[in-house]
Amino acid sequence: EVQLVESGGGLVQPGGSLRLSCAASGFTFSSSWMGWVRQAPGKGLEWVANIKQDGSGDFYVDSVKGRFTISRDNAKNSLSLQMNSLRVEDTAVYYCAKEGGGYFWSWGLGTLVTVSS
Amino acid sequence: EIVLTQSPATLSLSPGERATLSCRASQSVGSYLAWYQQKPGQAPRLLIYDASNRATGIPARFSGSGSGTDFTLTISSLEPEDFAVYYCQQRSNWPRTFGQGTKVEIK
Repeated sequence: EVQLVESGGGLVQPGGSLRLSCAASGFTFSSSWMGWVRQAPGKGLEWVANIKQDGSGDFYVDSVKGRFTISRDNAKNSLSLQMNSLRVEDTAVYYCAKEGGGYFWSWGLGTLVTVSS
Repeated sequence: EIVLTQSPATLSLSPGERATLSCRASQSVGSYLAWYQQKPGQAPRLLIYDASNRATGIPARFSGSGSGTDFTLTISSLEPEDFAVYYCQQRSNWPRTFGQGTKVEIK
């Protein structure tokens, strides 16, 4: 059974940084694209970033380019999202997702990031 | 960026009724469209991919159709557990985008 467990969320001031992690199990992590999708409180879903199986390519929504960095450690079955220069509008639940063919097949429970002074 | 517009925003139906949800793309996405279900406090769940293929374990009462710019998710007979928010998502172009959601609520 696929399991994705996010951690690292919390309260941070505007301009601050936070690093999210996702521990994966139940599938061959090194063979899967992985991604982050976020959901602002009471709002819809927004794709944030994703990364190829071997980490050779990463992709971002325009609103986070230059501020967020996605990375993975296939030896540890782990996905990360380094978030810098955080803005109030980055406040959301961040989901780690197993991606395949451009779709999100499995999701974690999410971790809440709140950017506020 | 491809914009996905879902309608209606809210659908009020009774258990046993048929639900028809629409997703319209601002430009053609071919058949590269998925549907997700999200219940309160839960992560989304993939229901349909490539417009009409059910994901593993998804009941047959869920079906998807369409291509190009117009897509439909149909729930043939609503069960109590089907009342939720439904999102469409395209993978034809970058960035991946989602619709704003349709809430299916109990009438």
